[in-house]
Amino acid sequence: GAGVSQSPSNKVTEKGKDVELRCDPISGHTALYWYRQSLGQGLEFLIYFQGNSAPDKSGLPSDRFSAERTGGSVSTLTIQRTQQEDSAVYLCASSFGTAEEKQYFGPGTRLTVT
Amino acid sequence: KQEVTQIPAALSVPEGENLVLNCSFTDSAIYNLQWFRQDPGKGLTSLLLIQSSQREQTSGRLNASLDKSSGRSTLYIAASQPGDSATYLCAIPDSSASKIIFGSGTRLSIRP
Repeated sequence: GAGVSQSPSNKVTEKGKDVELRCDPISGHTALYWYRQSLGQGLEFLIYFQGNSAPDKSGLPSDRFSAERTGGSVSTLTIQRTQQEDSAVYLCASSFGTAEEKQYFGPGTRLTVT
Repeated sequence: KQEVTQIPAALSVPEGENLVLNCSFTDSAIYNLQWFRQDPGKGLTSLLLIQSSQREQTSGRLNASLDKSSGRSTLYIAASQPGDSATYLCAIPDSSASKIIFGSGTRLSIRP
């Protein structure tokens, strides 16, 4: 079946603009996760959804970052007033149940803030 | 707080060699451990998931072992090929089960 998909694959934006990143999880997966990978850095957790609720949003770096999930499916990560330090690859993953289940990752969105 | 470490950060070996990648973790109370592969500019591909009750898992030329008591896992790659060149990451679920904690990865290069 189809895997996790993300769009756009690449996004270049000017500093100060808002961006939206989209994630389509595997059908039937109740859990959805956003991670960030900055150049030369490790993978950093951002937020976890279970259904449409976000019981763990502890990784969001500032209040410029927000995310929502609708219909227990698609999720959107929004970054307001983008800064150059927001440049990174944003990865989405999904799983059955919780993070104790196997996680399946999307191809990522490469965000460049100029 | 769980910490995951991978050594070495980079490894280069000639084609055909067998090799071992290492992953260590500080809290032995883990649910499972997952090994991923990441190609440059791409997402993560799950290679093997080994449950805490298991000692090893195999898939083709890959074998992952787990020793909870010593806080270690190894990924063994047999008869390495240039196509195995990638970054390999291990990851463990956080105690909250809301995220997985990644090691920093081992960048593997197989020389033809």
